[in-house]
Amino acid sequence: EAQVTQNPRYLITVTGKKLTVTCSQNMNHEYMSWYRQDPGLGLRQIYYSMNVEVTDKGDVPEGYKVSRKEKRNFPLILESPSPNQTSLYFCASSLTGEGFSYEQYFGPGTRLTVT
Amino acid sequence: LAKTTQPISMDSYEGQEVNITCSHNNIATNDYITWYQQFPSQGPRFIIQGYKTKVTNEVASLFIPADRKSSTLSLPRVSLSDTAVYYCLVGDGLNTGGFKTIFGAGTRLFVKA
Repeated sequence: EAQVTQNPRYLITVTGKKLTVTCSQNMNHEYMSWYRQDPGLGLRQIYYSMNVEVTDKGDVPEGYKVSRKEKRNFPLILESPSPNQTSLYFCASSLTGEGFSYEQYFGPGTRLTVT
Repeated sequence: LAKTTQPISMDSYEGQEVNITCSHNNIATNDYITWYQQFPSQGPRFIIQGYKTKVTNEVASLFIPADRKSSTLSLPRVSLSDTAVYYCLVGDGLNTGGFKTIFGAGTRLFVKA
């Protein structure tokens, strides 16, 4: 089944304790992205990647790192989480490279709480 | 990327047709218009995409006038399960791979029995 998976789905952690949220897709998509969603602020893009070893900042990259060493994986790293990074996080991959397609496939989300 | 403006919320009844309009006055020549649906605590799901005129698939239609400064998502005969937030996005998938993305606030559709 074609899908984007994220782990963990739920995470409660403390300020300053480094964490990684994994994202994997099995559709051979070149493009992947991370979003955070907060009440009243909608979905905001954190980072995106257009290919292996190619990443770029979205609208809210501060406090986050990403890496794209393999096509299927795009982990999100919080080196020193803070309470303002408490949010619902979504990973997405895209079927682009075929002309006009803008369709993104989203993972199930990771609910992160930083205390 | 073109900024989009949508109504914050809409109410409807089961069985009715719902039209959600999105304004995108600064749309660029290469931009496509895409709509997503999101249920609470789930990732957005692609509904439909178009460039001009009309596009129809099994769940919705997308109407785009000649000047492309707006678009209308049409959901025929909505049911309670169509209660969700609907996002309109405008962007140039060809050059950026569709990933410099601005979702906006979306339209919260509430379908009543």
